[in-house]
Amino acid sequence: QQQVKQSPQSLIVQKGGISIINCAYENTAFDYFPWYQQFPGKGPALLIAIRPDVSEKKEGRFTISFNKSAKQFSLHIMDSQPGDSATYFCAASYSGGYNKLIFGAGTRLAVHP
Amino acid sequence: DTAVSQTPKYLVTQMGNDKSIKCEQNLGHDTMYWYKQDSKKFLKIMFSYNNKELIINETVPNRFSPKSPDKAHLNLHINSLELGDSAVYFCASSQQTQDTQYFGPGTRLTVL
Repeated sequence: QQQVKQSPQSLIVQKGGISIINCAYENTAFDYFPWYQQFPGKGPALLIAIRPDVSEKKEGRFTISFNKSAKQFSLHIMDSQPGDSATYFCAASYSGGYNKLIFGAGTRLAVHP
Repeated sequence: DTAVSQTPKYLVTQMGNDKSIKCEQNLGHDTMYWYKQDSKKFLKIMFSYNNKELIINETVPNRFSPKSPDKAHLNLHINSLELGDSAVYFCASSQQTQDTQYFGPGTRLTVL
């Protein structure tokens, strides 16, 4: 019940295209859903996060869509750029859980010029 | 002016040795974490301290012992290193529960 399932494992997108990464969770107590971006040799960095009281959050080219009834959320990267090539992790945590983040397995995104 | 720093960046050692990884944050955060990232890049929390008190202790072998001398530091000591301990270890910090976690650059541990 603590799992967060992420797909796809890897993704290749052409420059200017839309990258879509999906995550699903089981624990209905989860109430915070961040996405982290990790470049090779670096630590993960928060990209964007959402709470279940909204169905969508947009920051620049990055959008999270959240479907509470389906227990799914996704990251959309519009106008994907080669500089977006990185590994993306979805995660989830819940109030009272001491900010314990449960991470998905990660998606390696490659944006080709 | 690095926010979360870790030393060393690389650590190569023999099986059976004891080693420590140090972490410091200058963000004034109350909570610090240790994560392990395995060869498949899977990230899993190991420990968390809030104001020097252990609040998360996942199912980790007791060869791993975290120590927080103050709010700005969280060290990880590993006894009797095993091949399976080879991974990248990340330290992170946050201000409060469900705040953004800021990760350090990682320490790549290789056990031979």
